[in-house]
Amino acid sequence: GAVVSQHPSWVICKSGTSVKIECRSLDFQATTMFWYRQFPKQSLMLMATSNEGSKATYEQGVEKDKFLINHASLTLSTLTVTSAHPEDSSFYICSARDGGRGWTQYFGPGTRLLVL
Amino acid sequence: RKEVEQDPGPFNVPEGATVAFNCTYSNSASQSFFWYRQDCRKEPKLLMSVYSSGNEDGRFTAQLNRASQYISLLIRDSKLSDSATYLCVVNRAAGNKLTFGGGTRVLVKP
Repeated sequence: GAVVSQHPSWVICKSGTSVKIECRSLDFQATTMFWYRQFPKQSLMLMATSNEGSKATYEQGVEKDKFLINHASLTLSTLTVTSAHPEDSSFYICSARDGGRGWTQYFGPGTRLLVL
Repeated sequence: RKEVEQDPGPFNVPEGATVAFNCTYSNSASQSFFWYRQDCRKEPKLLMSVYSSGNEDGRFTAQLNRASQYISLLIRDSKLSDSATYLCVVNRAAGNKLTFGGGTRVLVKP
């Protein structure tokens, strides 16, 4: 089936640093990828939609200058959390839509970010 | 009102028993519906899509009621491995954006 990977799987960083998370579709091309965030005991919240070759679309309340998204190829999207602060600590999950399989989104394994 | 609402549970289920739970959605224009399963500290995994006529996949049965705007999931002959959080997921009317419910936690006990 469709496989999506994320790297790194977890990261600990100091407050004020930037962290880049990669999301890759391994066996299919994904024109659209999605970035979610999940805080403990809460559901996934869509942050932004990443479109290959164009600017990402951010959900209301998500700062585009803080969460930089780049979708430079059909198999890779990156999310950079700039100047991370402790409140950015969360579980970040990407998903990719395989156009050949209808509307199904396949999720990466997630990245746990802890900002000290 | 949340776009997708679920009873958070937990539903404590004896092994072998049947459990069912619902999810309500607020956007009547929603088009696609799914149940995902999420294990602790893991990513969500697609359990099944939900079709208008209802559908079954092994021990899992999903139903959609558009008039009342809810979907349901029934698990028969529960296994210990069914313990997880079940996420109700609805696509928004515009584009392929998914909206997740808060999840229903199911604990199957021996």
